[in-house]
Amino acid sequence: EVQLLDSGGGLLQPGGSLRLSCAASGFTFSNYPMSWVRQAPGKGLEWVSAITGSGGTTYYTDSVRGRFTISRDNSRNTLYLQMNSLRVEDTATYYCAKENPVGGTNYFDFWGQGTLVSVSS
Amino acid sequence: SYELAQTLSVSVALGQTARITCEGNNIGSKNVHWYQQKPGQAPVLVICRDTNRPSGIPERFSGSNSGNTATLTISRAQAGDEADYYCQVCDTSTGWVFGGGTKLTVL
Repeated sequence: EVQLLDSGGGLLQPGGSLRLSCAASGFTFSNYPMSWVRQAPGKGLEWVSAITGSGGTTYYTDSVRGRFTISRDNSRNTLYLQMNSLRVEDTATYYCAKENPVGGTNYFDFWGQGTLVSVSS
Repeated sequence: SYELAQTLSVSVALGQTARITCEGNNIGSKNVHWYQQKPGQAPVLVICRDTNRPSGIPERFSGSNSGNTATLTISRAQAGDEADYYCQVCDTSTGWVFGGGTKLTVL
């Protein structure tokens, strides 16, 4: 059974830093790209960042590029999101999601339970 | 950047058919995926690559995609289908794109 356990969220002030983790099990972690998707309170889903299975290539949405860093440790089956220079508008529930790259497209077939990041002064 | 537009809300009578649309420029040339999200829960994939149902998703859920509109169809709607529904595509320039979401109400 695939399981993704998100952790690391919390309350902090603007300009602060936080590292999110996602512990994966139930599949060969290194074989699959992974993403972080966030959802601001009462709002829709927003893709944040993605990383290939090897960790060699990363992608970011424009609003976080240069502030967030996605990484993975395939020996620990864990995905990370280092978040620096946090802003009030980064407040959201952050979900890690397993990607399934099939037929030239990627979709998210499994999701973590989410971890809440609140940025407020 | 590529954008997807969804109607904010859709209502359907119990047992009837609900259709939720997702509009994007030439979306028919892309693969569209659909997610269901109930309050306080993580999203769940209900349709992938336009028309495919993952294991465990009822046959009542189906999808289509052509031209500038993709559609998620829910037949014989049940109270348990009440949720927010999001469409998603991968765009070569924008990356992973979600629609704004549609709230389905079953009356």
